Amino acid sequence: SQQGEEDPQALSIQEGENATMNCSYKTSINNLQWYRQNSGRGLVHLILIRSNEREKHSGRLRVTLDTSKKSSSLLITASRAADTASYFCATDERGAQKLVFGQGTRLTINP
Amino acid sequence: DAGVIQSPRHEVTEMGQEVTLRCKPISGHDYLFWYRQTMMRGLELLIYFNNNVPIDDSGMPEDRFSAKMPNASFSTLKIQPSEPRDSAVYFCASSFAVNYGYTFGSGTRLTVV
Repeated sequence: SQQGEEDPQALSIQEGENATMNCSYKTSINNLQWYRQNSGRGLVHLILIRSNEREKHSGRLRVTLDTSKKSSSLLITASRAADTASYFCATDERGAQKLVFGQGTRLTINP
Repeated sequence: DAGVIQSPRHEVTEMGQEVTLRCKPISGHDYLFWYRQTMMRGLELLIYFNNNVPIDDSGMPEDRFSAKMPNASFSTLKIQPSEPRDSAVYFCASSFAVNYGYTFGSGTRLTVV
């Protein structure tokens, strides 16, 4: 079953621009996480935001969470070619005791 | 720590053969997860262990799939007999908690012909 749904499915921007990806989910959660997956590699954990937090920063990453709308966004500022990857949100439903991943957004940064 | 280690990286096998995938989690992580990734279905949780005990195997597709964790540093996922629809990338991940950040291995790309 899928909890988080990312939007858009694919995004292509120029190097230096900002990239924004969105994630919507269906049920109450304890936290929401974002992961990056480079082609042919495993997922890498980027950031975790708890349900009582509204915004979190890590380097060039900014994550927001709106529990009333059941949505989150991931902003990558000043994008670089190395940011080219797929980005996944993952949520843990309260009581479900497992992390469920969305289908991902494929981000391409053009030099 | 070398991270989560999976082997083999690639496996090509014929339909009907037994396939065994291996995983070594990060030392100290109490949770180990097996995921399968395909273009059609995305990333699916197959099974996870807590302190070597299987907790949720509801994602295991059918009886052909089995997983074990004989000790804290080793787990296997076995498919017997394998079928072409089992072709996918299989990931192992470990974590301190079921809802904390996961560390993924590099995956095993399985092709069943």
